[in-house]
Amino acid sequence: DAGVIQSPRHEVTEMGQEVTLRCKPISGHDYLFWYRQTMMRGLELLIYFNNNVPIDDSGMPEDRFSAKMPNASFSTLKIQPSEPRDSAVYFCASSLGGFSYGYTFGSGTRLTVV
Amino acid sequence: AQSVTQLGSHVSVSEGALVLLRCNYSSSVPPYLFWYVQYPNQGLQLLLKYTSAATLVKGINGFEAEFKKSETSFHLTKPSAHMSDAAEYFCAVSSGTYKYIFGTGTRLKVLA
Repeated sequence: DAGVIQSPRHEVTEMGQEVTLRCKPISGHDYLFWYRQTMMRGLELLIYFNNNVPIDDSGMPEDRFSAKMPNASFSTLKIQPSEPRDSAVYFCASSLGGFSYGYTFGSGTRLTVV
Repeated sequence: AQSVTQLGSHVSVSEGALVLLRCNYSSSVPPYLFWYVQYPNQGLQLLLKYTSAATLVKGINGFEAEFKKSETSFHLTKPSAHMSDAAEYFCAVSSGTYKYIFGTGTRLKVLA
C-alpha cells in the first residue's frame, strides 16, 4: 500500500489566492482526518470524515476553510481567500476505524502564504 | 475533557544511553494512548499504542511505554539510543472518540 498520499508537498501562494490541498487515504480506511501543525499551536484537528461524510468540523478556524470528500479515495481542503496566518503544515490522516486503531498520516503539505 | 502534557520540549541523550520521554494525560474515561514519531519533513508514524490490554506496550524500533493509571502517565523509553532515533515524538490520547488530542511534542537529540 502506498500509504496516505498528499499533494502538493509544498505550496507557496500570495495572500488572497485560493489554495486547494489534496489527500488520497489508504484504501479501505473509512475515517479521514485533516490536521494543521504550527509551532505555536502544535497539531490541531480541523475536520474529520466517516464514510465520506463530515462528522466534526468544529476545528475549522473560519469560513475561509472548507473540506470535501466526494468519494472514498479523495478529499480536499480549500482555503479561500488565503492569509499569511494560514501558513502551516497540513496533514491528512486515515484510519480503519475503531478508537484504538490509530491514524496513518500522510507526509503533509507545507503551505506558505506571502 | 482530555488532555496531554509532554514534559520537556527538548531532550538530549548520548548514543547508547537510556531514552525517557515523559507523557502525562488527563481523561474522564479509560483512555487510549499513543506515541508517534515525526522525522524531518515527514508525517507522523505510529510507534506504539495502549488499548487497555497489557500495561507495558512494545512498539517499533525498540521503543516501549508503560501505562500507569495511578500516575496518569505513559512514558516512552528505549534502553539504548541510536543516532537514527533523533526526531520529534508526540504523545496522544483518545477518550473513546476519534478526536485524538496530541501533546506539544518532544524533540529528541542523540549525541555521538
